[in-house]
Amino acid sequence: GAVVSQHPSWVICKSGTSVKIECRSLDFQATTMFWYRQFPKQSLMLMATSNEGSKATYEQGVEKDKFLINHASLTLSTLTVTSAHPEDSSFYICSAREGLAYEQYFGPGTRLTVT
Amino acid sequence: QQPVQSPQAVILREGEDAVINCSSSKALYSVHWYRQKHGEAPVFLMILLKGGEQKGHDKISASFNEKKQQSSLYLTASQLSYSGTYFCGTDSGAGSYQLTFGKGTKLSVIP
Repeated sequence: GAVVSQHPSWVICKSGTSVKIECRSLDFQATTMFWYRQFPKQSLMLMATSNEGSKATYEQGVEKDKFLINHASLTLSTLTVTSAHPEDSSFYICSAREGLAYEQYFGPGTRLTVT
Repeated sequence: QQPVQSPQAVILREGEDAVINCSSSKALYSVHWYRQKHGEAPVFLMILLKGGEQKGHDKISASFNEKKQQSSLYLTASQLSYSGTYFCGTDSGAGSYQLTFGKGTKLSVIP
């Protein structure tokens, strides 16, 4: 149980284009989904928190117009990186939690490379 | 505020034990432990809640001292599969369920 998938696993895009990353909870209803960014050999940095049906809450320093998050259903959240630039290249990971449970389960991550 | 993990890295021979510590300057409601292998997502190990929990599964256990605002992860009789980076994530209990992760402890188990 508690499986979270992400798609795609990796993506290479040109500077200026937009990229959408999907995060799905496969066997539970994700009340809350979190989006993290991780640079090589560094920790997980929380970008935003999204609750189903409401607007995402972004961490300080994260541009909400650049990183668009949609949590339209209890099993799907999407992160769209708009007008991507090389500095947006990173490992993006989502996690999800259910109901009143505290545990967060992570997806396998998406490696974004912007050329 | 980011919790502090120690040590930053440790190398063990198979069968040896290790302790990884996680301390916070803020009061904590829960501490979550994850293991991440290179290029993969973090895998949930366990969560300890306020109340001074201790928990274990197989040869991996953890404790949470809420007074000292710290948690320790104990790995006994280490196996090659234990290699990876261990992260603690802390929750201050503000109701957001958000975790703040430490910088990680890289554990390498060698034959």
